Amino acid sequence: QVQLQQSGPGLVKPSETLSLTCTVSGYSIIDGYYWGWIRQPPGKGLEWIGSMFHRGSTLYNPSLKSRVSLSIDTSKNQFSLKVTSVTAADTAVYYCGRDRYSYDSGGSPMGNWFDPWGQGTLVTVSS
Amino acid sequence: IVLTQSPGTLSLSPGERATLSCRASQSVSSNYLVWYQQKPGQAPRLLIYGASSRATGIPDRFSGSGSGTDFTLTISRLEPEDFAMYYCQQYGSSPRTFGQGTKLEIK
Repeated sequence: QVQLQQSGPGLVKPSETLSLTCTVSGYSIIDGYYWGWIRQPPGKGLEWIGSMFHRGSTLYNPSLKSRVSLSIDTSKNQFSLKVTSVTAADTAVYYCGRDRYSYDSGGSPMGNWFDPWGQGTLVTVSS
Repeated sequence: IVLTQSPGTLSLSPGERATLSCRASQSVSSNYLVWYQQKPGQAPRLLIYGASSRATGIPDRFSGSGSGTDFTLTISRLEPEDFAMYYCQQYGSSPRTFGQGTKLEIK
């Protein structure tokens, strides 16, 4: 059974960097999926942030790309998210997820859906 | 692509049929649309992918249909555990986007 366990601070100061890690159990992170992040501001809908393949290929939401960094540590079977220069607008529940992918008509990878998801981490940006 | 879900809230009783709508601002390529269920304090759970294929372990009372810009999630006979938020998400165009959700509540 695939399980994703998130870790990281729940409080980040404005202008600082948000960092979260997702540890995967029951599945090898190098075995054929992208691994990604989604967030949900309080009382609002879901927003895809970005996804990464273990060989380094990344997919980003353009709205966040300039501030987002993704990484994977295959030795620990985990992947991570960093968001720089955070503001109150970055306050949200952040989820990690296994991202099923396919290829578009041009042969480029495209993320499909997330299954399963991590438990979620509420990150509050406040001084 | 902007996804608009309706209604915002749906009040029904157990045993009734639920019909949830997801309308896209432009055609969703190859019917690349999924549905998730989210209960309070929990992560979303995949229900339907490819507009109409049930995910592993999802009961057959859940079904998805539609194409182009109009998609529907139907729950044939509501069970108490089905009352939750439901989100659609498209993956035919980048960036992937989600609808704002439909809250299915007990009447």
